This record gives sequence, structure tokens and C-alpha cells, in this order.
Amino acid sequence: AQSVAQPEDQVNVAEGNPLTVKCTYSVSGNPYLFWYVQYPNRGLQFLLKYITGDNLVKGSYGFEAEFNKSQTSFHLKKPSALVSDSALYFCAVRDEDNDMRFGAGTRLTVKP
Amino acid sequence: ETGVTQSPTHLIKTRGQQVTLRCSSQSGHNTVSWYQQALGQGPQFIFQYYREEENGRGNFPPRFSGLQFPNYSSELNVNALELDDSALYLCASSLSRGGGNEQFFGPGTRLTVL
Repeated sequence: AQSVAQPEDQVNVAEGNPLTVKCTYSVSGNPYLFWYVQYPNRGLQFLLKYITGDNLVKGSYGFEAEFNKSQTSFHLKKPSALVSDSALYFCAVRDEDNDMRFGAGTRLTVKP
Repeated sequence: ETGVTQSPTHLIKTRGQQVTLRCSSQSGHNTVSWYQQALGQGPQFIFQYYREEENGRGNFPPRFSGLQFPNYSSELNVNALELDDSALYLCASSLSRGGGNEQFFGPGTRLTVL
């Protein structure tokens, strides 16, 4: 069965600095990988996905993620963080059986 | 905001009762998934419906059941409520059931079991 790990409960960065939120996964076949963001009292909002092709995936709000097959990682990145990026971020992996597994989440705090 | 709506927003029940949560999928989407998100955790997959048929199920007991209707809206039913069922229940719709289809989430229903 597939699984996903987000090794950091919390990430703190200063506004304007680059940010990285880490994710590693385990899946038996080809992975479908996703990043979602959750703001307080809201549902999850889709940011980006990797299915196949280019290892660098660009998504909403200036976020991007790099798929690394050898390290089984799919880290979320942004070159310049904004205070409004502060939220809870979830990595998710899906196999071909359509069972989507989410990580425990990483709370990103961007300080002015 | 996605086009996925859920009702009710909040619900308080007592142990042993039954509850029905509702979800309207985004226009054009034929697949609905349900998730349970306990406080401080990531969403846990309950089950998925594709064109009115169950298309996958997570590690939840049979007292969690669902339905999908011809208009692709969906219900989650939970019988014999337990205290640990207190959580945010999320519904997500997608264009189809294929693994690469992203899911669009509703705002959730906050269930409290006393």
C-alpha cells in the first residue's frame, strides 16, 4: 500500500525568502503525487500534481514541486514566500487503485 | 472556491446515534470521495463513488456507508456513532476516477459526538 511522509510538522521562513516543504512517498507502481493547501476552517485547495513527464511541476500561486524518483521525494518549493502563504500544506500520493493517502501535514508560517 | 458544497456545516450528535452528511459535486464531475480529518491529522480516505457505484474503500468499518445519486451528489452515513468519530468530514469531487485526476474539496462538515 502507498504511504506518504512529511518529516516536518512546522516550517518557519521570513517573507521574501525561499521556502521548501518536504514530502517523501512509497508506492508500488507509478505514483500520482499531489500538493494541497488548507486555510483555517476551509477545505483543501489543490496546488499542483505530478503524473508523468517533466520532473519540475509548476502550480498555483507561484508554487512548484520537484519529483525525484531515486529519492522518492516530491518537495514543494517557492522562490519568495509571502505572509499570505501561511497555512497547512498536505502532500498526497495515489496509486492506480485510486486510494489517496495524505501526509500528516506541515504548518508553514511566513513572518514579515 | 470550488463548486463542491457540503451540508450541514456543523453537527452535534450523541454516542449511538446515526448521521447523514451530504455533498454536491462540482458540475461535470462524476466521482466523489469522502475523507475523515481528525484534529491535527491529514485526511483519511473513507471511500469513493464513481457513477453511483463504490469504487474503493479505506480502512473504515461497515457502519460507514455511502450513496451516490444520478446527479452525482453523494451522502455519507455513519451508524452507531462513537466518540472517535468526531472529526471534519470532507467530500471531494473529480472529473473521473483515474488516479491522475485532482480532487476538488468542499469546506467540510464538522461532526462532534458527545
